[in-house]
Amino acid sequence: GAVVSQHPSRVICKSGTSVKIECRSLDFQATTMFWYRQFPKQSLMLMATSNEGSKATYEQGVEKDKFLINHASLTLSTLTVTSAHPEDSSFYICSARRLAGGPNTGELFFGEGSRLTVL
Amino acid sequence: AQSVTQPDIHITVSEGASLELRCNYSYGATPYLFWYVQSPGQGLQLLLKYFSGDTLVQGIKGFEAEFKRSQSSFNLRKPSVHWSDAAEYFCAVGALAAGNKLTFGGGTRVLVKP
Repeated sequence: GAVVSQHPSRVICKSGTSVKIECRSLDFQATTMFWYRQFPKQSLMLMATSNEGSKATYEQGVEKDKFLINHASLTLSTLTVTSAHPEDSSFYICSARRLAGGPNTGELFFGEGSRLTVL
Repeated sequence: AQSVTQPDIHITVSEGASLELRCNYSYGATPYLFWYVQSPGQGLQLLLKYFSGDTLVQGIKGFEAEFKRSQSSFNLRKPSVHWSDAAEYFCAVGALAAGNKLTFGGGTRVLVKP
C-alpha cells in the first residue's frame, strides 16, 4: 500500500531554534499534502494545506511565518517551526493525497508523525 | 462549517465483547466519512470510509460502520474485540471524495480488559 514517511520521528530542540520536519510520499506522487497538529490526548487540528509548486494555505489562527511550509516536489513537503518555543511542543502529522490513477486514487495516507519537544 | 462529535471520550470493553463507537457529524452537503485508528505515538491508519452507495461499510480488522443520514451518524462497530484493538479511534468528515481537509472528531480511547 501507499506509504508516507515523516522524518524525524522525534526531535528535541532548544527554545529559539528552528526545526524542520519532512513528509515524503514513498511510492506515489502527491500534489497536495496536509499538516496536522495534535496535542496530548486531543484530536488532530489541520494547520495548513501544502500545494506542490505554490504557496501553502493556512488555517485560521495558524501563523504562516511561524510554521513555514515548502512543497518543492511531488513527493516532499517540509514543515519548519521557526524560533520554536515550549508551547510549540506537539505531535505533528502529515498526510498526502495520491494523484489520480492507480488504486486508492485520491485517498489520504498519513505519516507516522513527528514529536517535537522544545526545551 | 463541518464538524464531528464523538460523544464518548473513553470506552472500556472486555476482550471478546462487541464494540460500538459513536460519531455524529454536521455538514451541509453529502459527507465523506472516515474512521481512523491511532496507536500510541503513531500515525493514523484508515479503517474504512464512506463516499456513497451501500450505507453499511466494511473495513479492515473486522470493523464496519453504518451511515445513517437521518441521524447524521456514522457509528463504528466490531462484533468481537481483540486486545490489539486498544487504541484511539477518530471519526472524520471530508469535503471531497479524497478526504480533502478532513475535520476530525475528538477521538475515543478504547481500553480492552482481559
